[in-house]
Amino acid sequence: IAGITQAPTSQILAAGRRMTLRCTQDMRHNAMYWYRQDLGLGLRLIHYSNTAGTTGKGEVPDGYSVSRANTDDFPLTLASAVPSQTSVYFCASSDSGTGEQYFGPGTRLTVT
Amino acid sequence: GQNIDQPTEMTATEGAIVQINCTYQTSGFNGLFWYQQHAGEAPTFLSYNVLDGLEEKGRFSSFLSRSKGYSYLLLKELQMKDSASYLCAVRDGDYKLSFGAGTTVTVRA
Repeated sequence: IAGITQAPTSQILAAGRRMTLRCTQDMRHNAMYWYRQDLGLGLRLIHYSNTAGTTGKGEVPDGYSVSRANTDDFPLTLASAVPSQTSVYFCASSDSGTGEQYFGPGTRLTVT
Repeated sequence: GQNIDQPTEMTATEGAIVQINCTYQTSGFNGLFWYQQHAGEAPTFLSYNVLDGLEEKGRFSSFLSRSKGYSYLLLKELQMKDSASYLCAVRDGDYKLSFGAGTTVTVRA
């Protein structure tokens, strides 16, 4: 693979269920990010990780958790999904030296 | 935090020029990015400015004035494939990006 992959591509989830969105990059980038994109609001940062083993909260972290056990993987977990978490989720990564972010193809999540 | 404003929509004719403005108010500034996003796809990087002035990359140019908190993206010789959303993003000192809501550009024949 080359770049960033996300899984699943789309998902319909019942409210209250737990869900993990997967993100893997093969560019050996130090930094990784999770965004949600909603119509009219643009991309909003959920959580980020500047390097393996560290994570930080973004603008809208409530209801989400992340982990960064290694350089390549950055999963996003919804512990108990709610309808307001219906969105398109993008994972991104960057070489912290340049800051340009590369985005994965996105996961379209619908919580019913 | 960051407050980033850009117009919601713009329409232009094929072959024309369009300028998308972006104004920002930030608590820390470490560069400004422009991304292009076609409907249903991921954002892709277009340009980066950290110093004042104009950066040119083919048909696309981006300008920055840090003292005015202002940037613009200039798209020349518009093509139908340029119909997309254009996102202005400001980077802080922790390399986090804050995005504007995006400007949807429609190119008409």
